[in-house]
Amino acid sequence: QSVLTQPPSVSAAPGQKVTISCSGSSSNIENNFVSWYQQLPGTAPKLLIYENNKRPSGIPDRFSGSKSGTSATLGITGLQTGDEGDYYCGTWDSSLSGGVFGGGTKLTVL
Amino acid sequence: QVQLQGSGPGLVKPSETLSLTCTVSGGSISDFYWSWVRQPPGKGLEWIGCIHNGGSTKYNPSLKSRVTMSIDASKNQFSLRLNSVTAADAAVYYCANSDLGAVLVQTGDRYYYYYVDVWDKGTAVTVSS
Repeated sequence: QSVLTQPPSVSAAPGQKVTISCSGSSSNIENNFVSWYQQLPGTAPKLLIYENNKRPSGIPDRFSGSKSGTSATLGITGLQTGDEGDYYCGTWDSSLSGGVFGGGTKLTVL
Repeated sequence: QVQLQGSGPGLVKPSETLSLTCTVSGGSISDFYWSWVRQPPGKGLEWIGCIHNGGSTKYNPSLKSRVTMSIDASKNQFSLRLNSVTAADAAVYYCANSDLGAVLVQTGDRYYYYYVDVWDKGTAVTVSS
C-alpha cells in the first residue's frame, strides 16, 4: 500500500492529452514539493518534473506538473506511442522523514 | 553530467547481507544526496534511503533496522547494506543522484523538496538458497 495514490492505468489516443493524478496528505504532497518519473519498458526511471512543475533540461514542454492541496497532477499533451510506460509521483513525507512514491500508473497510447 | 554504475552480487542467500556499491563519475560525491530505490518484479518503486557526504542519512522506516548506507569519498562511491534478507527483498536496486532540501514559504512553513535526478541502470538481486 503506497503512501501516495495513483490510478493503476490511463489511456488515450495518439496526439491527445492525458492527466495522471497523485493523491496524498498534509504530511507529504500538501506541504512539500512533488516530482514525477517516467519508466519506459525495461529501463530505469527518468525524472520528468521536479518541485511541482519544473522540467529538467531535455524534457519537452509536452510534460507539465501541477499541485493543489493534497493532490498533484502530471499532464502529457501530444501523446506519442513512445510515451507508453509507467509513471510515478514522488515527494518527501515530513512525518516519515523520508521519500515516498506513488504506486505507479501505466499509460497506454491506443 | 553525473553517471552512475551500480555493482554487486546478483544472488544473495536468505538471512545473509545484501551489499551493493555505486560508482559516481562526472561529478563529485561531496555534492548532493545519494539515494537507493528498489523495484520488486512487476511492482512499483520503493524508496530505501539516501545519504550525504556531510554525514546525513535518511532511511525508510520500514527498512531502517536492516539498512546501512555509507560513502567512500576517496573512491567516489557509495554503498548499501541490507541484512537478514528474505525473498521479499528480491528486486532491481537502483542507485541514484538526488537532491533534498527545504525552503521557507510565504506562510513561514518549511517545504521539503526531494527528487531523484540521475539513475543507474539497476542491479537485479535474487534471494535464494
